[in-house]
Amino acid sequence: QQQVKQSPQSLIVQKGGISIINCAYENTAFDYFPWYQQFPGKGPALLIAIRPDVSEKKEGRFTISFNKSAKQFSLHIMDSQPGDSATYFCAASMPSNYGQNFVFGPGTRLSVLP
Amino acid sequence: NAGVTQTPKFQVLKTGQSMTLQCAQDMNHNSMYWYRQDPGMGLRLIYYSASEGTTDKGEVPNGYNVSRLNKREFSLRLESAAPSQTSVYFCASSEVGLAGPKNTQYFGPGTRLTVL
Repeated sequence: QQQVKQSPQSLIVQKGGISIINCAYENTAFDYFPWYQQFPGKGPALLIAIRPDVSEKKEGRFTISFNKSAKQFSLHIMDSQPGDSATYFCAASMPSNYGQNFVFGPGTRLSVLP
Repeated sequence: NAGVTQTPKFQVLKTGQSMTLQCAQDMNHNSMYWYRQDPGMGLRLIYYSASEGTTDKGEVPNGYNVSRLNKREFSLRLESAAPSQTSVYFCASSEVGLAGPKNTQYFGPGTRLTVL
């Protein structure tokens, strides 16, 4: 119920291509879905986030698509660049007695080839 | 602003040794968190502190203790380290609140711990 599934585990994309990472959840109490980007040796950093009342959110080359009925959401990186090479984590959060309880997916390692 | 800082960056312990991981944030956030990151498992919450003076267990608290020293600092202690605690530890902070930008978690750079 608390799990967030993420696929693929790793992804190799040519420069200029589209990177797509998928996540799925079970618990309908989740009400906030952020994506984090992590470079080697660094902590995760918030990339983009969406609430379940919208189906899509776009920020620059990054887009989240959200399918509430299927309990799935995905990250699309358009015109992928070598600088996008990083590990990406999806997450889902729900209210708790301390604010928001975040559950993270296992991560996708993206490599963008020049 | 330095954001979230963690010390040390790397540590090697022998089984049974103890140590404290330090975390500090300068964003005046109310909530602070400790996560561990293991390959293929994402980030798992160890302990959290909703506000100064309060702490509570997360998903994987066994073998750890925490102290919210003040609003800025939140430390994680391993009393008797075990090889299963080999991991990368991240501290994070957020402004307590409802879902959305105000509850964005800001992460520190991490501490890579190896227990032999």
